[in-house]
Amino acid sequence: QSVLTQPPSVSGAPGQRVTISCTGSSSNIGAGYDVHWYQQLPGTAPKLLIYGNINRPSGVPDRFSGSKSGTSGSLAIAGLQAEDEADYYCQSYDSTLSNSVFGTGTKVTVL
Amino acid sequence: QVQLQESGPGLVKPSGTLSLTCAVSGGSIISSNWWTWVRQPPGKGLEWIGEIHHSGSSNYNPSLKSRATISVDKSKNQFFLKLSSVTAADTAVYYCAMVVPPERNNWFDPWGQGVLVTVSS
Repeated sequence: QSVLTQPPSVSGAPGQRVTISCTGSSSNIGAGYDVHWYQQLPGTAPKLLIYGNINRPSGVPDRFSGSKSGTSGSLAIAGLQAEDEADYYCQSYDSTLSNSVFGTGTKVTVL
Repeated sequence: QVQLQESGPGLVKPSGTLSLTCAVSGGSIISSNWWTWVRQPPGKGLEWIGEIHHSGSSNYNPSLKSRATISVDKSKNQFFLKLSSVTAADTAVYYCAMVVPPERNNWFDPWGQGVLVTVSS
């Protein structure tokens, strides 16, 4: 089981803002390790969305933003669009396990 | 621009060994320090399997209980995954990806398209 917990699903109408939390502990996010986010469109491989808590790779719209506080990270999607309907995963490092870990994943539905 | 492509048998018998190859193109396998394997059972989340350095050093997810072995062939610009004693629980889409430093704060980009491996008799 994952050590990073995400809500199973979030939804919003087009144009709305939604946020996805990634809750960890003192051995991962709380220990200072960065949070990264991936978007997985149906039937495709994960794609890097946010790295180093707040940074967007080239080509990622600025509607996507990341943040980190304490033992949690957060991904916000502003101006929700139909094309944003996908699964989203957070990722960090865990010092107890000594390996990278993924969140449980969140399905975003555009109403 | 680096691209990765997984390949290998799509069907493996229970108790057998799963063997996959990840071919790196558009760059040298020694251009990045580490390379990784991640899997995703049907309808489930992502699981980190392990990683390999181009020098041959490797790290693994303890949950796989030493069944996983990752290796590299610099001359072919490829790295490999072997998973032994497979069961139905190992049925998944297997992805390879490049690890972007820094160490312990690294992320994975880019990813291969993934290959579905089914464990069944």
